[in-house]
Amino acid sequence: QKEVEQDPGPLSVPEGAIVSLNCTYSNSAFQYFMWYRQYSRKGPELLMYTYSSGNKEDGRFTAQVDKSSKYISLFIRDSQPSDSATYLCAMRGGTGGSYIPTFGRGTSLIVHP
Amino acid sequence: DAGVIQSPRHEVTEMGQEVTLRCKPISGHNSLFWYRQTMMRGLELLIYFNNNVPIDDSGMPEDRFSAKMPNASFSTLKIQPSEPRDSAVYFCASSSSGLATGELFFGEGSRLTVL
Repeated sequence: QKEVEQDPGPLSVPEGAIVSLNCTYSNSAFQYFMWYRQYSRKGPELLMYTYSSGNKEDGRFTAQVDKSSKYISLFIRDSQPSDSATYLCAMRGGTGGSYIPTFGRGTSLIVHP
Repeated sequence: DAGVIQSPRHEVTEMGQEVTLRCKPISGHNSLFWYRQTMMRGLELLIYFNNNVPIDDSGMPEDRFSAKMPNASFSTLKIQPSEPRDSAVYFCASSSSGLATGELFFGEGSRLTVL
């Protein structure tokens, strides 16, 4: 079993839909949780960053971490065609742990007009 | 500001040839990472450097792969001899230990095809 599991999709939704992207992990030492967005033929870029459990909102995006279940989510409200990309979850340890992030495989999202 | 710069963007070569991929990290960043991305395996860390020193190369597939960072502004990843299974997109990323988020800044990648 990989440390970070993420369904590769693709996930296809109509414009305006609420999108839910998820990752599970096995390493309880992970403290920092990130979502990167990768457009086609580009490198990943940091989208959201969360420390420990809880929610974080940024515009149409909400990142949610449930450490008790080892489960993280990214919600996209009012999805737009421009949101079509691959979303990679990433996580790393805190103080004393590895600061190198471990990435999920990424979920391909397609938002069609 | 210039981001991470990688070259070449595309490389098509024949099995057995030597391939050299190049990376210029963001100025001031002290960590550099080489990743390989494929559909099957996702993003895999090959090696990372801290202050130009290789810290962990456990992700390097085999002796055919080597990486160097002669100074803070340049790194290379070399494959010799190349094989078809090396076909992938290779990303270079840089980061600064001063960033609380530990964000990695990726280049646009080098797409390698080995025939």
